[in-house]
Amino acid sequence: GQSLEQPSEVTAVEGAIVQINCTYQTSGFYGLSWYQQHDGGAPTFLSYNALDGLEETGRFSSFLSRSDSYGYLLLQELQMKDSASYFCAVRMNRDDKIIFGKGTRLHILP
Amino acid sequence: DSGVTQTPKHLITATGQRVTLRCSPRSGDLSVYWYQQSLDQGLQFLIQYYNGEERAKGNILERFSAQQFPDLHSELNLSSLELGDSALYFCASSALGLVETQYFGPGTRLLVL
Repeated sequence: GQSLEQPSEVTAVEGAIVQINCTYQTSGFYGLSWYQQHDGGAPTFLSYNALDGLEETGRFSSFLSRSDSYGYLLLQELQMKDSASYFCAVRMNRDDKIIFGKGTRLHILP
Repeated sequence: DSGVTQTPKHLITATGQRVTLRCSPRSGDLSVYWYQQSLDQGLQFLIQYYNGEERAKGNILERFSAQQFPDLHSELNLSSLELGDSALYFCASSALGLVETQYFGPGTRLLVL
């Protein structure tokens, strides 16, 4: 079956750096996306990787290694407002379904 | 505000009933996606439409159907509702149907009693 694995919870300190990992087992791969979702809110797109390497957008970066079926989201200079759930998602082919991980809840300590 | 609108915000109905959820994409976006989010199943992709045509299908139940109209708004129809259909239903849109640029609406919270 198709699956994405990510840690259920991660805790970090304000101002620090945190990495959220995502490993996938899918029959195809078109791209890996990351979303942020605050409690009671809608998911917000953060980042996308289709090719190996690092993509940087402000305090957020995302990395992909297709040979390892692995990616991660890196959050720098953590702020209290970054406390949220983070989901990775894989689209297997251009016109195929999208599989989501179960989400990682990020707790930030002052 | 993502620019994607969904109505209604909340819906309470009984088992066996039928409901319609509506989504208006961001201006200019041709693609609409529907998702279901429940506590035990997480975020599940249901279906995608691009410019009126079905583009991709996820684990959408046969009791559920969707369509995208010429003005690009979309409706998700849920019929013969069961208790387990209680969930948040999100709509998202993107310009070119590319997964990396999806913008989510605020969601419709469905409660089946």
